[in-house]
Amino acid sequence: DVVMTQSPLSLPVTLGQPASISCRSSQSLVFSDGNIYLNWFQQRPGQSPRRLIYKVSIRDSGVPDRFSGSGSDTDFTLRISRVEAEDVGVYYCMQGSKWTWTFGQGTKVEIK
Amino acid sequence: EVQLVESGGVLIQPGGSLRLSCAASGFSFSGYPMHWVRQAPGRGLECVSAISGNGGDTYYADSVRGRFTISRDNFRNTLYLQMGSLSVEDTAVYYCAREQVGDLDSWGHGTLVTVSS
Repeated sequence: DVVMTQSPLSLPVTLGQPASISCRSSQSLVFSDGNIYLNWFQQRPGQSPRRLIYKVSIRDSGVPDRFSGSGSDTDFTLRISRVEAEDVGVYYCMQGSKWTWTFGQGTKVEIK
Repeated sequence: EVQLVESGGVLIQPGGSLRLSCAASGFSFSGYPMHWVRQAPGRGLECVSAISGNGGDTYYADSVRGRFTISRDNFRNTLYLQMGSLSVEDTAVYYCAREQVGDLDSWGHGTLVTVSS
């Protein structure tokens, strides 16, 4: 299986400050159709996961533009330009290029 | 609005069997592959199984292959997960999720399966 490694696993952030989460895959995520199916999910406390970003950098509708995704091949990043209180939760990257689809361990974002 | 509502989670003894259901509404159910994803208490997310829109293709994680069976009823707009030979390691919240090629765009609220004696 493709191993997804996130860092850091815990991210205390000051309100209004930027945050960045790294996600690395053990294999290239380029699919046979040329796309990279690397996605980011947010899971707020007590809630189910919510998709934020798909295909590396496409934001879901309704997701604030302070969230952005970037990367290629095996190295990906989720950035929050200015953290707000509602951003508290656990963030997961997930690859959908090779079955079994796999998630990173999760990064817990909390307010300092 | 897409809605996915899971049910069937209970407290069950090791070695037992259980069937989870996921009722879908708000979209053309047969047009989408569907997945089951689980989350053990305080842990991360694990893709367990997937099924194509017409039910002809199924996929399983190694951890459940041979014990779990995914299926769907496109007339009833319902996804199922038949779980057998359950162990404590299967204790988790089980989510159903809709697939858009290469990702999961909609999730249910989950149903808790607890395997304990």
